[in-house]
Amino acid sequence: NAGVTQTPKFRILKIGQSMTLQCTQDMNHNYMYWYRQDPGMGLKLIYYSVGAGITDKGEVPNGYNVSRSTTEDFPLRLELAAPSQTSVYFCATQDREQLAKNIQYFGAGTRLSVL
Amino acid sequence: DAKTTQPNSMESNEEEPVHLPCNHSTISGTDYIHWYRQLPSQGPEYVIHGLTSNVNNRMASLAIAEDRKSSTLILHRATLRDAAVYYCILRDIIQGAQKLVFGQGTRLTINP
Repeated sequence: NAGVTQTPKFRILKIGQSMTLQCTQDMNHNYMYWYRQDPGMGLKLIYYSVGAGITDKGEVPNGYNVSRSTTEDFPLRLELAAPSQTSVYFCATQDREQLAKNIQYFGAGTRLSVL
Repeated sequence: DAKTTQPNSMESNEEEPVHLPCNHSTISGTDYIHWYRQLPSQGPEYVIHGLTSNVNNRMASLAIAEDRKSSTLILHRATLRDAAVYYCILRDIIQGAQKLVFGQGTRLTINP
């Protein structure tokens, strides 16, 4: 049982390049989230999904896109990378049956630098 | 969003108890109080949560004030592996999904 797996662990991009951050879970959780964490700060929500085919914006969605074609996968796409997107990105899942408990399970993160 | 206030940093010694405070004076009646921690270079991990009564689990205890405007996370015997940033979070609902609102947390240092 791997939980939440994020790839890659590290990536350096040039300004204007694009990339996809992968997130896969094997817990059959309906809810999935993407957060970013800037140095010394807490996490901010980028996008979230309540199930396959359903996504919605969080606090800081500009510059990102997501899709959710399966329960397991929730990739985050950066189309035109900018230095402001230098951050650590975390994917998280949550069991719909335990919403009231609000327990989220996080991946280990992807550290992205845009130069 | 209901806000929480935590000290920026705390320090303790190994094998001693640690009390991490959190103020949440604007908490609503149905907000759960959650604690997560983030070890160096890792994602956040759930520690404990509660509504009104004190709670215990294998990782920690959560003491909630009677008026619910503050709470304290208690690590009974800190180890070096407990060095982390601890976040006190109130539930924040968006359209059925449950956004976690992270502040800056308390950076806990454990001295050997």
